[in-house]
Amino acid sequence: EAGVTQFPSHSVIEKGQTVTLRCDPISGHDNLYWYRRVMGKEIKFLLHFVKESKQDESGMPNNRFLAERTGGTYSTLKVQPAELEDSGVYFCASSHLGGPDNEQFFGPGTRLTVL
Amino acid sequence: GESVGLHLPTLSVQEGDNSIINCAYSNSASDYFIWYKQESGKGPQFIIDIRSNMDKRQGQRVTVLLNKTVKHLSLQIAATQPGDSAVYFCAYYLWYSGGSNYKLTFGKGTLLTVNP
Repeated sequence: EAGVTQFPSHSVIEKGQTVTLRCDPISGHDNLYWYRRVMGKEIKFLLHFVKESKQDESGMPNNRFLAERTGGTYSTLKVQPAELEDSGVYFCASSHLGGPDNEQFFGPGTRLTVL
Repeated sequence: GESVGLHLPTLSVQEGDNSIINCAYSNSASDYFIWYKQESGKGPQFIIDIRSNMDKRQGQRVTVLLNKTVKHLSLQIAATQPGDSAVYFCAYYLWYSGGSNYKLTFGKGTLLTVNP
């Protein structure tokens, strides 16, 4: 079974540009999560989808970040316009059901560098 | 604020030795804790979990200890191998909004290096 995949693995952009990250969850997983790790800091929750609906987006830093999951399959996270502090590794995770009793499987992450 | 912290950012051990990675948490309401392992170029991978009604849980070569009194969590790795070299994160689930929402809260991570 294929795991969670993310694209691209690395992205280097200039401040002010737009970047779109993609996450393909494990097939059949209704729950999809986005996290971010800024260099040297902890991994922080960004948002949680249940199918195509946003269950919780309380971790989104500001309105420059837009996450979508049309059709309830893959998800995209767009940053527009990107700022220097957006640099970090963006992880996606998925689980079949929600809650602590259901393991979240993480993708390899997308390393974003904003210059 | 809510946080999960680590006492040691780096840990270097000899192959075959036992490793202990520590974590302190601040939210006494959490009842579910997880240790993750992140290898270079990969995402966090579940290692072992423990609920607050337990103080110890063992897996294959790993043991998690939970001390709720002092809000401390530790991961013990027996007979550490080079393949154990990775960043280890402790995490817990934080429930809010009357229990209808939850989020996974991570610590900063400890880099474990195993020397052959």
